[in-house]
Amino acid sequence: EVQLVESGGGLVQPGRSLKLSCAASGFTFSNYYMAWVRQAPKKGLEWVATISTSGSRTYYPDSVKGRFTISRDNAKSSLYLQMNSLKSEDTATYYCARYGPGYPSYYGYWGQGVMVTVSS
Amino acid sequence: DIQMTQSPASLSASLGETVSIECLASEGISNDLAWYQQKSGKSPQLLIYTANRLQDGVPSRFSGSGSGTQYSLKINSLQSEDVSIYFCQQNYDSPLTFGSGTKLEIK
Repeated sequence: EVQLVESGGGLVQPGRSLKLSCAASGFTFSNYYMAWVRQAPKKGLEWVATISTSGSRTYYPDSVKGRFTISRDNAKSSLYLQMNSLKSEDTATYYCARYGPGYPSYYGYWGQGVMVTVSS
Repeated sequence: DIQMTQSPASLSASLGETVSIECLASEGISNDLAWYQQKSGKSPQLLIYTANRLQDGVPSRFSGSGSGTQYSLKINSLQSEDVSIYFCQQNYDSPLTFGSGTKLEIK
């Protein structure tokens, strides 16, 4: 059974940093592109970052480019999101998601999500 | 970026009815369209991919169709457990973009 379990969320002040983690199991982690997708309270879904199978390629939307860094450790089947210079508009539930085969592709599996609140 | 316009924003229907949700892409996406269901307080779950392929374990009352820029999700014989928000998503080109969601309720 595919499982994605996020951790590391919480309350953080504007301008500070936070690092999210996602522990994956139930599939060969190194074979899949992975992503972070967020959802602000009562809002829609927004893609945040994507990483290739080896980690050599990363992609970001303009809203987080230069502030967020996605990374992975295939030996540990883990995905990370380093978030710097956080803003109030980054407040959201962050989901770790596995792509379907290949990229670009749909999100075949999602974690349960972790809440990040940016507030003074 | 490809814009996804989803309609209606909300929908109320009776048990046993058939409902449809539409998604319009700002350009052709060659059937690279997925539908997700998000129940209250839960993460999204994949229902349909490549416009019309049912994800494993999804009831057959869900179906997807469409081509080019216009796509739809149909739910036959509406059940109480179908109360959710439904999102479409194009995976034709980066950045992958979502529709704004359709909230489905039971009358």
